Amino acid sequence: DSGVTQTPKHLITATGQRVTLRCSPRSGDLSVYWYQQSLDQGLQFLIQYYNGEERAKGNILERFSAQQFPDLHSELNLSSLELGDSALYFCASSVVGGSNTEAFFGQGTRLTVV
Amino acid sequence: AQTVTQSQPEMSVQEAETVTLSCTYDTSESDYYLFWYKQPPSRQMILVIRQEAYKQQNATENRFSVNFQKAAKSFSLKISDSQLGDAAMYFCAYRRKSSGSARQLTFGSGTQLTVLP
Repeated sequence: DSGVTQTPKHLITATGQRVTLRCSPRSGDLSVYWYQQSLDQGLQFLIQYYNGEERAKGNILERFSAQQFPDLHSELNLSSLELGDSALYFCASSVVGGSNTEAFFGQGTRLTVV
Repeated sequence: AQTVTQSQPEMSVQEAETVTLSCTYDTSESDYYLFWYKQPPSRQMILVIRQEAYKQQNATENRFSVNFQKAAKSFSLKISDSQLGDAAMYFCAYRRKSSGSARQLTFGSGTQLTVLP
């Protein structure tokens, strides 16, 4: 168990809908990262939050947004869903600072858009 | 931008034998981290081994070791005495040694390892 919790584990929804994926980082980790894993694009970095603020942005679509709350949990919002958004969405967390280099991954949310 | 390339989509190895997975990367930076992650069918991403670019000594974790060639920008993973539980997708990943807090990983496309009994 990595200590990173993602909910739900599975999600099936229709095109055009909006969903919210939730991530609780490891205790003490201030940084949360979102990644998308799909057959077409592989594992891609979407966005990072650090202590409530957006810190880095990757290949995240404008239809997607994220936030990190004061209790450090994060949510990834996906709207106007398309079939191509079907993927495994990972959240990872890490400590920032010091010599720690490891990011700990949650088990992912499998999103299926039908 | 940094890129990571894994040119072997699939590999297989006999149980108890040794296998090497290849990874090359491209970066203009001199200091960074490299990682190998394992993703078994459970889909959990598990860190196997890490290497710091400024360290010349190759990292080793039990049966897992790397061959880090900085000049060639090559970072291969050797699995010795392969076990059935090693069967998984293996991802090579790069991360800048950022002085700030942006520490996202750039992943390769993965190598699916099959272990034959």
